[in-house]
Amino acid sequence: GEDVEQSLFLSVREGDSSVINCTYTDSSSTYLYWYKQEPGAGLQLLTYIFSNMDMKQDQRLTVLLNKKDKHLSLRIADTQTGDSAIYFCAEISNAGKSTFGDGTTLTVKP
Amino acid sequence: EAGVAQSPRYKIIEKRQSVAFWCNPISGHATLYWYQQILGQGPKLLIQFQNNGVVDDSQLPKDRFSAERLKGVDSTLKIQPAKLEDSAVYLCASSSGTANTEAFFGQGTRLTVV
Repeated sequence: GEDVEQSLFLSVREGDSSVINCTYTDSSSTYLYWYKQEPGAGLQLLTYIFSNMDMKQDQRLTVLLNKKDKHLSLRIADTQTGDSAIYFCAEISNAGKSTFGDGTTLTVKP
Repeated sequence: EAGVAQSPRYKIIEKRQSVAFWCNPISGHATLYWYQQILGQGPKLLIQFQNNGVVDDSQLPKDRFSAERLKGVDSTLKIQPAKLEDSAVYLCASSSGTANTEAFFGQGTRLTVV
């Protein structure tokens, strides 16, 4: 079945850039999403990219998609302490089925 | 615009008991999802409704889990009987469409089975 893999932890200093990586297996994925989850809260959609794109930029966020390698990354520029959270990569297949990774915990140190 | 509402926020039950969760999606959203999020893992889709019809329930353990969305608005998810491994956060989400529309998540119900 479909699988989404992420590294579990990332620690950066405030002001640095953060890069969170994700790999997926479903070649029929139409959309790939990045969600943010803060403690005790639901998931908040940060950004998404359509599978025929290779890059999307939205303010401090840059998403890169390498469809050949099935690799997705999220870059956060000028990372702030408020960016500390768990970040989930998710893919949506042609059939509309969603698969989430297990999340990357981002810790931002002052 | 009000968000996705879920209740209760927390629930502790003993194994073999029954439990029900309630979700009120954003007004006008046709698609409703129930996810199970075990600690340290990503959300796993249990069931997806389009209006009051089931689109995908392939990962719903149907021997103990059931869900309904009778009038195409609110939804309930039930577990009967609960097992220890059902301890998780149950997230409800809604969207106005399917793959290319944003899903909005509720805060979830944290279930602990002891």
